[in-house]
Amino acid sequence: GIQVEQSPPDLILQEGANSTLRCNFSDSVNNLQWFHQNPWGQLINLFYIPSGTKQNGRLSATTVATERYSLLYISSSQTTDSGVYFCAAQETSGSRLTFGEGTQLTVNP
Amino acid sequence: GAVVSQHPSWVICKSGTSVKIECRSLDFQATTMFWYRQFPKQSLMLMATSNEGSKATYEQGVEKDKFLINHASLTLSTLTVTSAHPEDSSFYICSARASPGLAGGPYEQYFGPGTRLTVT
Repeated sequence: GIQVEQSPPDLILQEGANSTLRCNFSDSVNNLQWFHQNPWGQLINLFYIPSGTKQNGRLSATTVATERYSLLYISSSQTTDSGVYFCAAQETSGSRLTFGEGTQLTVNP
Repeated sequence: GAVVSQHPSWVICKSGTSVKIECRSLDFQATTMFWYRQFPKQSLMLMATSNEGSKATYEQGVEKDKFLINHASLTLSTLTVTSAHPEDSSFYICSARASPGLAGGPYEQYFGPGTRLTVT
């Protein structure tokens, strides 16, 4: 099955800083999603982005499908951005979403 | 749009009893629903995939007789943990995929808020 790797595993920022989270995947995909898991465990859909670039406020994401990676950009980070960010991918030939191990982001005031 | 609910949000039960968790898609029809479990500080692991009106497909290592899944309608799937034991304590999360796809795309999954199960 597809392998999904996220980096870095942990990231500590000061409020206002920018950051880039990376997701590498091992096969061609028809689904690539980024999530933020809040302290109560709820997975918040950030982006559905099997290819291309999308932006939503301070967040943007880019997936380069031919090179099998996706990037999540967080600009002007806020303390409320803290939490775990997951990338999940579904290979073209499959039907299941495979999650990476996540990036634990801590934004300090 | 694309809201998925779970009930209960948390449950405590005694060892040996059974617990049922409901997953509902509130504003769309979900032909496929998924059940995941997540242990503390770990990622989500897929347990099973259920399609409306058919038997669930379980991932390797997941006991189908212990984790009973029913997907009786296009908006409801249930997970029953039978004869629960302390090692079944975990965070259970469901997701749903719409058919046809919603604005996001045909394969996008929408996740419920999760159910925290504690078995004493």
